[in-house]
Amino acid sequence: DIQMTQSPSSLSASVGDRVTITCQASQDISNYLNWYQQKPGKAPKLLIYDASNLETGVPSRFSGSGSGTDFTFTISSLQPEDIATYYCQQYDNLFTFGPGTKVDIK
Amino acid sequence: EVQLVESGGGLIQPGGSLRLSCAASGFTVSSNYMSWVRQAPGKGLEWVSVIYSGGSTYYADSVKGRFTISRDNSKNTLYLQMNSLRAEDTAVYYCARVLSWSTRGFDYWGQGTLVTVSS
Repeated sequence: DIQMTQSPSSLSASVGDRVTITCQASQDISNYLNWYQQKPGKAPKLLIYDASNLETGVPSRFSGSGSGTDFTFTISSLQPEDIATYYCQQYDNLFTFGPGTKVDIK
Repeated sequence: EVQLVESGGGLIQPGGSLRLSCAASGFTVSSNYMSWVRQAPGKGLEWVSVIYSGGSTYYADSVKGRFTISRDNSKNTLYLQMNSLRAEDTAVYYCARVLSWSTRGFDYWGQGTLVTVSS
């Protein structure tokens, strides 16, 4: 089984700050990595697929990069509506989600 | 417009059975990969099961042998039969569509249905 880790588990940042979340896979997953945003009481929303591709309609302040075992998710300028928990997910071998990163406004 | 609507959740005693349904509209369930993902209260997302367009099914180790994913093409509906339920199965269960066979992100999700396993 492929295990996913994320860091940090939570963070607080100011509006306008650049926010970076990392995701690490327990083995090489190429670029088979997606990122989701989940707001409280809502279903997750796909933001980035295949490590770096922005899903249709997602603001360009969100971006992703990486391949192999190490991946990065970035919000270039944090907005109040970005308060949420962010999850990475691999699909190299079935599906596994990371534990999530909770993003708050400082 | 693509829409997924889950139903069938509720309170069930340990050891009991429950069947969840996910009615789809705006696309054909049988032509897509479809999955169930759950989220225990206050916890993260856990993938549960997937059914491929060809009919192959796969499960997380935590539910293998107890849960069964299926679909009814005539009703354009996805199901999750859950048997031998345990307290640790308590969660919101989401059905989700897989974007494509080559890019396996979940692009559409239902609103979720809560399953509570408790005596």
